Amino acid sequence: GQQLNQSPQSMFIQEGEDVSMNCTSSSIFNTWLWYKQDPGEGPVLLIALYKAGELTSNGRLTAQFGITRKDSFLNISASIPSDVGIYFCAVIFSGTYKYIFGTGTRLKVLA
Amino acid sequence: DGGITQSPKYLFRKEGQNVTLSCEQNLNHDAMYWYRQDPGQGLRLIYYSQIVNDFQKGDIAEGYSVSREKKESFPLTVTSAQKNPTAFYLCASSQTANEKLFFGSGTQLSVL
Repeated sequence: GQQLNQSPQSMFIQEGEDVSMNCTSSSIFNTWLWYKQDPGEGPVLLIALYKAGELTSNGRLTAQFGITRKDSFLNISASIPSDVGIYFCAVIFSGTYKYIFGTGTRLKVLA
Repeated sequence: DGGITQSPKYLFRKEGQNVTLSCEQNLNHDAMYWYRQDPGQGLRLIYYSQIVNDFQKGDIAEGYSVSREKKESFPLTVTSAQKNPTAFYLCASSQTANEKLFFGSGTQLSVL
């Protein structure tokens, strides 16, 4: 079946550092979504991307929709302790109700 | 505030028992979904509903049942046929197909 590969699987960083993670697919998708999930909570939508090459920011978060439509990147600038959590990418099969989720990048921030 | 409310937050099931997880949304979304999340794994679709009185099986529907009698509500029943029910269950909604997905805060189901 379709899969999204996220990397890295986990990362430890120092507070104040910038973070970068990515998500790749073997297929083309027209919508990419990025979510953050805190332990024991539901995922929260961070950024939605709809156009190849699009760069979108949400505060300290910046995400890009790859030009090939097979990948996306999420960057977090000046990380803080509350950035801890699992970051998921997701794509939508156009015209359907089917979403595919990556397995997540676990971020831990050391104060 | 608009959103998706799941209850209870924690639920325990005895062997042979059916349990029902509640999901209510006030976003006026047409589509609602149930996902199962196991530790270290991605989200797997159990059931989804595009409109009232209609629902479709997802990838892991066996041992589960749903109803969609109202637009706002999409309860999930975990039946005794589900032999490995311990997981974190997430309800979600979207305006229509192809739209951003919004999640509730989840229900952790455990077996006694």
